[in-house]
Amino acid sequence: AQSVTQLGSHVSVSEGALVLLRCNYSSSVPPYLFWYVQYPNQGLQLLLKYTTGATLVKGINGFEAEFKKSETSFHLTKPSAHMSDAAEYFCAVSEGDNFNKFYFGSGTKLNVKP
Amino acid sequence: DAGVIQSPRHEVTEMGQEVTLRCKPISGHNSLFWYRQTMMRGLELLIYFNNNVPIDDSGMPEDRFSAKMPNASFSTLKIQPSEPRDSAVYFCASSPSQGARDNEKLFFGSGTQLSVL
Repeated sequence: AQSVTQLGSHVSVSEGALVLLRCNYSSSVPPYLFWYVQYPNQGLQLLLKYTTGATLVKGINGFEAEFKKSETSFHLTKPSAHMSDAAEYFCAVSEGDNFNKFYFGSGTKLNVKP
Repeated sequence: DAGVIQSPRHEVTEMGQEVTLRCKPISGHNSLFWYRQTMMRGLELLIYFNNNVPIDDSGMPEDRFSAKMPNASFSTLKIQPSEPRDSAVYFCASSPSQGARDNEKLFFGSGTQLSVL
């Protein structure tokens, strides 16, 4: 069975500072990993995903994430936060043999201070 | 394409009433998912369909919840009778493929905010 843990339900950074949102997963098979973003009153949008190949994945809006198998982590980073990055971010895992079942973390709300 | 369309955007109802949430997936997508989002439990998968057939409904909380997908372009999630603890945002999502790893991705609707008083 899969599980996803996001450390920190709220993260606050200053505009221009590094953004680091943490995600750890448990999996008995090679996982597919995703980061979704949810802006207020909207559905979720895919930021980036890791399936196979290069472990550093670049997504939209300057975000990237690195799959570290030894640490079972898929942390999301952005070098310089922008006010428009304020949103809730969800890490998700899908089962290797059942690609249609997604497990989501509890979400991290990112606040960007001016 | 207009994306995944959910209706209504907001629903306020009284305890005991029947609630029906609707979803139109993206045309051509053959997988559809219903999620519930609450502060306490985060995003929970309730049920998903593949080619209109329910594949896994283990996340449906209890018999008061039911979901149907009569055709490839429409799905409903029904709660009867509704209770205050059902208050949440309900998301529908669709996916274009089953088993095609590189294309696997969920497209979410904007959600239905349900308030049961």
